[in-house]
Amino acid sequence: EPEVTQTPSHQVTQMGQEVILRCVPISNHLYFYWYRQILGQKVEFLVSFYNNEISEKSEIFDDQFSVERPDGSNFTLKIRSTKLEDSAMYFCASSDHRGRAGNTGELFFGEGSRLTVL
Amino acid sequence: GQQLNQSPQSMFIQEGEDVSMNCTSSSIFNTWLWYKQDPGEGPVLLIALYKAGELTSNGRLTAQFGITRKDSFLNISASIPSDVGIYFCAGPAGNQFYFGTGTSLTVIP
Repeated sequence: EPEVTQTPSHQVTQMGQEVILRCVPISNHLYFYWYRQILGQKVEFLVSFYNNEISEKSEIFDDQFSVERPDGSNFTLKIRSTKLEDSAMYFCASSDHRGRAGNTGELFFGEGSRLTVL
Repeated sequence: GQQLNQSPQSMFIQEGEDVSMNCTSSSIFNTWLWYKQDPGEGPVLLIALYKAGELTSNGRLTAQFGITRKDSFLNISASIPSDVGIYFCAGPAGNQFYFGTGTSLTVIP
């Protein structure tokens, strides 16, 4: 069964360092997302991406964050100058439909990348 | 943004009991999704609903798309220990999927 894969599963970094989290969405999907989940809290939207550009981003997704689809299969989240409060699980997700009223998108998640900022 | 509130926030039940949880939104959704999340893992899609009033089953799970389009319900029959986890509702709006606050389920053997 097709699945979303994420690497690394866990990354530990020093505050101020840059991290790149990688995702391979399901191959025929066109819409890609990053979500964040701080321990014990709800799943928070960061950004959606379609046709090589950002479709929507949350207030969390400031200049510290960027996304890229460098080739036909990978979708990356870069976090610059990490802060302690960036420690969280980061989930990549993909859908074959846009999350838009009237569309019937189903969203599939990867296993997540746990980021620990020390 | 959309607000999705789930209730109850947590549940502690005996194995074999049935479970009901619900999700309400501040706005209309055209699709409702229900996910289960195990600790340290990503949410796994359980059921997708596409029409108001729709009732869909997946094994022991049954979910309903509320008539008002502002709510959805998930029922689990004859709970087993592996049902333990956090259940999230979600729906698409704009260019994202909104998630509920989650219902934590604990099943006591």
